[in-house]
Amino acid sequence: AQKITQTQPGMFVQEKEAVTLDCTYDTSDQSYGLFWYKQPSSGEMIFLIYQGSYDEQNATEGRYSLNFQKARKSANLVISASQLGDSAMYFCAIRGNQGGKLIFGQGTELSVKP
Amino acid sequence: DAGITQSPRHKVTETGTPVTLRCHQTENHRYMYWYRQDPGHGLRLIHYSYGVKDTDKGEVSDGYSVSRSKTEDFLLTLESATSSQTSVYFCAISEAPYLNIQYFGAGTRLSVL
Repeated sequence: AQKITQTQPGMFVQEKEAVTLDCTYDTSDQSYGLFWYKQPSSGEMIFLIYQGSYDEQNATEGRYSLNFQKARKSANLVISASQLGDSAMYFCAIRGNQGGKLIFGQGTELSVKP
Repeated sequence: DAGITQSPRHKVTETGTPVTLRCHQTENHRYMYWYRQDPGHGLRLIHYSYGVKDTDKGEVSDGYSVSRSKTEDFLLTLESATSSQTSVYFCAISEAPYLNIQYFGAGTRLSVL
């Protein structure tokens, strides 16, 4: 069975600083994908970034980067130069082997302080 | 933004009544999913579809049924709503299961009284 663990229920960061959100995963599959989604207070789920298990380089999308450490089974999200609009819940997910379903962690609530 | 519309966006209903939630997509994606989101549980898969009339169960499928008669529409039915089904329901779509991103609709907030 696959599992995602996000150990930080809540985090604070100062505006313009970088922040790392932790995600560890467990899977016995050789091929898998890791995702991060953002859920602002308005409730929608916004895709941020994807890392495939065979990707040799860490994924980056603008201010978001994924620190992928395969041996440690970690896929941490790094947000550079935090903005007030980054305040939201952040979910890490792994793609399962049942129809490509996503298995989510419980999320980290990020608050950006001015 | 992916063209995914969920309806209704909010619904209040009574225990024992049937409820149908609709997910409509304009992307012509083959795969569609229904998740529910509850505090402390993240999102969990209810059912998914891999084509017209092709569906399968997820991890929390009890009390739910789905139908997909057209590529663009995926319906989730609570046959007899219970208070434990009070939740936020998200539809997601994907072009293919293992290579592509899942994009989510805006969600439906359902309250069963």
